Amino acid sequence: GAGVSQSPSNKVTEKGKDVELRCDPISGHTALYWYRQSLGQGLEFLIYFQGNSAPDKSGLPSDRFSAERTGGSVSTLTIQRTQQEDSAVYLCASSLVGAYGNTEAFFGQGTRLTVV
Amino acid sequence: QQPVQSPQAVILREGEDAVINCSSSKALYSVHWYRQKHGEAPVFLMILLKGGEQKGHDKISASFNEKKQQSSLYLTASQLSYSGTYFCGTYDAGGTSYGKLTFGQGTILTVHP
Repeated sequence: GAGVSQSPSNKVTEKGKDVELRCDPISGHTALYWYRQSLGQGLEFLIYFQGNSAPDKSGLPSDRFSAERTGGSVSTLTIQRTQQEDSAVYLCASSLVGAYGNTEAFFGQGTRLTVV
Repeated sequence: QQPVQSPQAVILREGEDAVINCSSSKALYSVHWYRQKHGEAPVFLMILLKGGEQKGHDKISASFNEKKQQSSLYLTASQLSYSGTYFCGTYDAGGTSYGKLTFGQGTILTVHP
């Protein structure tokens, strides 16, 4: 596709259930980022991938959160045993790998997660 | 560690100017600027690179002081369309976090007619 695609766009889940959020980056983009944005807040870094590897997982809030990327393309963010504080918009971005960050990131429209 | 932005919010009348600042405690190789309108995804504005190179928006200017680890975004003769939340992002270019892009908490800009 032409842009970063995220699915689902909206997800309502019951507390304690597991959810999977999907990100389909722009073709050829080897860097992929996940961010969380709570209502009216900034972009909280979660994890990023270079190819299929995740060099920095330090932003994942707890061990209930995990992410993987396969084939250097699609990425899935999984939240186990969801809690109400997990409610937020989860944004994915992708970029080419440039020298010292000289390439822009393109964001998807996000998945709005509501835990009830 | 995320960069720090100031101010947190700015309210302008059309035609007025504004400056948004971004600072980091780490050495910077590049600074990214993005704008997010309500309910939409962040959109790229500019990249400023160590050494002076810039990429991005024709109508928005920015500066990058490598020694002070600071960047500023200059919005002149503001238009209604400039309203939104502005984020600066810093790029890790060394160590185990090479390639990590971390954003500040955002600056909310509101332009009134």
